[in-house]
Amino acid sequence: AQTVTQSQPEMSVQEAETVTLSCTYDTSENNYYLFWYKQPPSRQMILVIRQEAYKQQNATENRFSVNFQKAAKSFSLKISDSQLGDTAMYFCAFSISGEDMRFGAGTRLTVKP
Amino acid sequence: GAVVSQHPSWVICKSGTSVKIECRSLDFQATTMFWYRQFPKQSLMLMATSNEGSKATYEQGVEKDKFLINHASLTLSTLTVTSAHPEDSSFYICSARDSSGAGDTQYFGPGTRLTVL
Repeated sequence: AQTVTQSQPEMSVQEAETVTLSCTYDTSENNYYLFWYKQPPSRQMILVIRQEAYKQQNATENRFSVNFQKAAKSFSLKISDSQLGDTAMYFCAFSISGEDMRFGAGTRLTVKP
Repeated sequence: GAVVSQHPSWVICKSGTSVKIECRSLDFQATTMFWYRQFPKQSLMLMATSNEGSKATYEQGVEKDKFLINHASLTLSTLTVTSAHPEDSSFYICSARDSSGAGDTQYFGPGTRLTVL
């Protein structure tokens, strides 16, 4: 069974600073997808970034980038130039071909002015 | 693109009644949709996978007779909570799988808050 672990229940960062959220996972599969979703107070789940396991290059989306270490089964999210609107719960997720998505417990990020 | 709607956003019902929640993919076809449940300050727990034109696949511990799922078209899946009880009060979220292009990504609806009195 695949498991996803987020070891940081809460984190905070000053506005304009950089923060990294950790995620590790466990699987015996070689091909899979990894995701970071953001859930603001509205509770709408928003896709932040997506990584295919077969791609060595780390995914980036504007201020968001990942450090994907396949051998270590690690998938951290870096948020640069943090903004107040980045305050939310962040969930790391794993799936095989888009099915059966498993989520970590989440990290509550607070961006302080 | 990749917008998923959910209706209603909030519902209050009496114990023993049934409640239907709709999930629609607005700008793409979704052969597979998913239903999750989220308790306060917790992560999302997959309840069932809904496949268009076939029976849903339920996760272990989820009562299929209580949580009826219908996926009659490529853009609509419904979850009916039958004979609801206060312990069914929760936040229910659907997602739709977009397998087109470079997809295989799930896009989520805004959720439905169910309160059973």
